[in-house]
Amino acid sequence: KQEVTQIPAALSVPEGENLVLNCSFTDSAIYNLQWFRQDPGKGLTSLLLIQSSQREQTSGRLNASLDKSSGRSTLYIAASQPGDSATYLCAVRRRSSNTGKLIFGQGTTLQVKP
Amino acid sequence: DTEVTQTPKHLVMGMTNKKSLKCEQHMGHRAMYWYKQKAKKPPELMFVYSYEKLSINESVPSRFSPECPNSSLLNLHLHALQPEDSALYLCASWDSMYNSPLHFGNGTRLTVT
Repeated sequence: KQEVTQIPAALSVPEGENLVLNCSFTDSAIYNLQWFRQDPGKGLTSLLLIQSSQREQTSGRLNASLDKSSGRSTLYIAASQPGDSATYLCAVRRRSSNTGKLIFGQGTTLQVKP
Repeated sequence: DTEVTQTPKHLVMGMTNKKSLKCEQHMGHRAMYWYKQKAKKPPELMFVYSYEKLSINESVPSRFSPECPNSSLLNLHLHALQPEDSALYLCASWDSMYNSPLHFGNGTRLTVT
């Protein structure tokens, strides 16, 4: 059974700091891993998707890495801003799934203080 | 701007009411999903429609009834709900290409009184 864990559950940093969010999964048989952002009471916004054959993906100040063999992914946020405050969720799509079903972690709630 | 549109944004209903949640996408995606999300928890999958046919029902109580009238629309019919069903209901769509992302709507905040 695939389990996805995110550490830490919450994080508070001063503006401008670089930070890393962690995601681990128990079964390496995945198609891809997706990072989402969720603002309070809103839907999920897809940030980055890393295919199982890739090591990293970048979008602006965001960089996501994937080490499939060790079951880990990190989301690096450079020069954090108050607008980055949100909950960040990672999710994996298993190779055994042909329906696109995602297995989510519990999320990391980030607060960036001005 | 989200490409998956959900209506209404907020809904308050009594336990004897019947209501429906609606979801629409015009990206040509052939898979559509309903998720339920409680506060401070990740989304939980409820239903998956693939090519307008129900492919997954995650043992959801029958008071929730999904419907996919066509490839762009997904409804969730609600009847005789309980207060514990209060949650954010999220719709998502996928183009069925394995390495493409799921797209979520902004959700409907449901309160059952």
